[in-house]
Amino acid sequence: DVKVTQSSRYLVKRTGEKVFLECVQDMDHENMFWYRQDPGLGLRLIYFSYDVKMKEKGDIPEGYSVSREKKERFSLILESASTNQTSMYLCASSSPRSSGGRYEQYFGPGTRLTVT
Amino acid sequence: GNSVTQMEGPVTLSEEAFLTINCTYTATGYPSLFWYVQYPGEGLQLLLKATKADDKGSNKGFEATYRKETTSFHLEKGSVQVSDSAVYFCALTLTDKLIFGTGTRLQVFP
Repeated sequence: DVKVTQSSRYLVKRTGEKVFLECVQDMDHENMFWYRQDPGLGLRLIYFSYDVKMKEKGDIPEGYSVSREKKERFSLILESASTNQTSMYLCASSSPRSSGGRYEQYFGPGTRLTVT
Repeated sequence: GNSVTQMEGPVTLSEEAFLTINCTYTATGYPSLFWYVQYPGEGLQLLLKATKADDKGSNKGFEATYRKETTSFHLEKGSVQVSDSAVYFCALTLTDKLIFGTGTRLQVFP
């Protein structure tokens, strides 16, 4: 089974802190994604990556950056956390080579971040 | 632009009732369509998918048919169980990126 893990299930940070959210997948997937999930808004794409050291902005990249130094790991960085970044953050991965095809994304359990 | 609209919840049903969750989409081109499910405290799991018009996706008793003429992909199940209580997301893709609806919470009571 594909496994996508996220470093924390719950995280509480203070305004202005630098925050790192880590995501690791064990299926050698090329594509990795970061979403935030908010009530009434569904999931919105923050950043995605098609390969190591490659990244592309999603729909809401402002206030975030990402890092992909290794194929299995995709990090989301909040340079200076703000209260409006309090949310559930979900990581996902996919591969054109998987049985479901390139469009099937596998999700981690999520990190609920609270910024106070 | 491309978008997905799904019915607002919560949808509250008794066990063994029939379920329909409506989903309609707007897309430039011919998208693939998905239903994802999120159980409490977990991430999203792919429930079913359809890649072209008239395809029917099915899994765990759930079904959805890709209707190009009505741009819809409604989720149905003939007899729901308490264990089906979750949030259901309809999504489309024209590339590697998914576009999600806002989610519909389903609550099933014994």
